[in-house]
Amino acid sequence: GAGVSQTPSNKVTEKGKYVELRCDPISGHTALYWYRQSLGQGPEFLIYFQGTGAADDSGLPNDRFFAVRPEGSVSTLKIQRTERGDSAVYLCASSPSWGSYEQYFGPGTRLTVT
Amino acid sequence: AQSVTQLDSQVPVFEEAPVELRCNYSSSVSVYLFWYVQYPNQGLQLLLKYLSGSTLVKGINGFEAEFNKSQTSFHLRKPSVHISDTAEYFCAVTKNFGNEKLTFGTGTRLTIIP
Repeated sequence: GAGVSQTPSNKVTEKGKYVELRCDPISGHTALYWYRQSLGQGPEFLIYFQGTGAADDSGLPNDRFFAVRPEGSVSTLKIQRTERGDSAVYLCASSPSWGSYEQYFGPGTRLTVT
Repeated sequence: AQSVTQLDSQVPVFEEAPVELRCNYSSSVSVYLFWYVQYPNQGLQLLLKYLSGSTLVKGINGFEAEFNKSQTSFHLRKPSVHISDTAEYFCAVTKNFGNEKLTFGTGTRLTIIP
């Protein structure tokens, strides 16, 4: 079946611009996670959704970052006033249910802020 | 909070030789442990996980890992590697309760030498 998809695969934007990154989870998966992977580092947790609500947003670095999942499926990560330090690969993962401890990752969106 | 240390950033191994990738973790609460693999230009894929039971867990592609609570380690092993094992390997932990968000190590790049 179809895996987790993320669009766009690459995004180049200028400092100060607004960007949206999209994640389509595996159909039926209730849990959705966003991570950020900087060069040479492991992924770092940003936010977790269970259904439509953000159950844990403790990893968002500041209030320029925001994410939504209005219908409990597709999620959008929004970054305002982008900075060069936001350049990274943004990963999305979905999980079939609480307690499965299996996250399926998408290929990521590479964001470059110039 | 949890943390994961992967001391070896790069490991070169001859084809058909055995390999061990080291992972140590730190946590004030009980954790579950994971190994993920990232092949070139692909998303993260779960190799194996330890939740409970036998401390020796077997995963896909002939990999296995052993949980050692006293040494807070979860090293990954394979008795004979192949060219196709060339990838980046990430160790990760999560609390054994809560929302299952993962804390990753910085990764180990495994390079197979023909």
